[in-house]
Amino acid sequence: EDQVTQSPEALRLQEGESSSLNCSYTVSGLRGLFWYRQDPGKGPEFLFTLYSAGEEKEKERLKATLTKKESFLHITAPKPEDSATYLCAVQAPSNTGKLIFGQGTTLQVKP
Amino acid sequence: GAGVSQSPSNKVTEKGKDVELRCDPISGHTALYWYRQSLGQGLEFLIYFQGNSAPDKSGLPSDRFSAERTGGSVSTLTIQRTQQEDSAVYLCASSPDREGGYTFGSGTRLTVV
Repeated sequence: EDQVTQSPEALRLQEGESSSLNCSYTVSGLRGLFWYRQDPGKGPEFLFTLYSAGEEKEKERLKATLTKKESFLHITAPKPEDSATYLCAVQAPSNTGKLIFGQGTTLQVKP
Repeated sequence: GAGVSQSPSNKVTEKGKDVELRCDPISGHTALYWYRQSLGQGLEFLIYFQGNSAPDKSGLPSDRFSAERTGGSVSTLTIQRTQQEDSAVYLCASSPDREGGYTFGSGTRLTVV
């Protein structure tokens, strides 16, 4: 069964304290791995798509990496405005755009 | 519009009543998706529309749930005879094709009392 597991469930950081979020997946034939950010009361906001092992994408303080079994979202010198829930999802191998989401990691960055 | 628009933003309904949730996707996006997010749960796929193809309804939890997409644009998700377990945030998303990241709306928070 295709599955996505994110860890930790929650993460508290001090401003400037770098860390990583993990997304482990099992899927037969990965077509794409996606990272989203979700703020309270809002829909998820697209961050990155990764397609193959070894690929990396960066945006401001965020960098996403991908291996054959997991993806990491590295947050460098986070700021309070980075506080949000970060969602990981994989694209189903069937010929649709359906995504399978993990439960998310809720990040709190304290000033 | 510039983004995906969903209405209403909040809906409180009595158990047993029918509800309709609306989604206006980004103009020109051929793919449209409905997901459900329950408290403490991840996003659960409900249904997917791609152009004129038959929709993928594999995620609909029961026959009380149905959705349509008119003219390849606006979509309506209908829940008949609502139950308390239907309480959740219903999210709509669209994308230019079946690849790539979605753009989500802000969702409709449904509460069944």
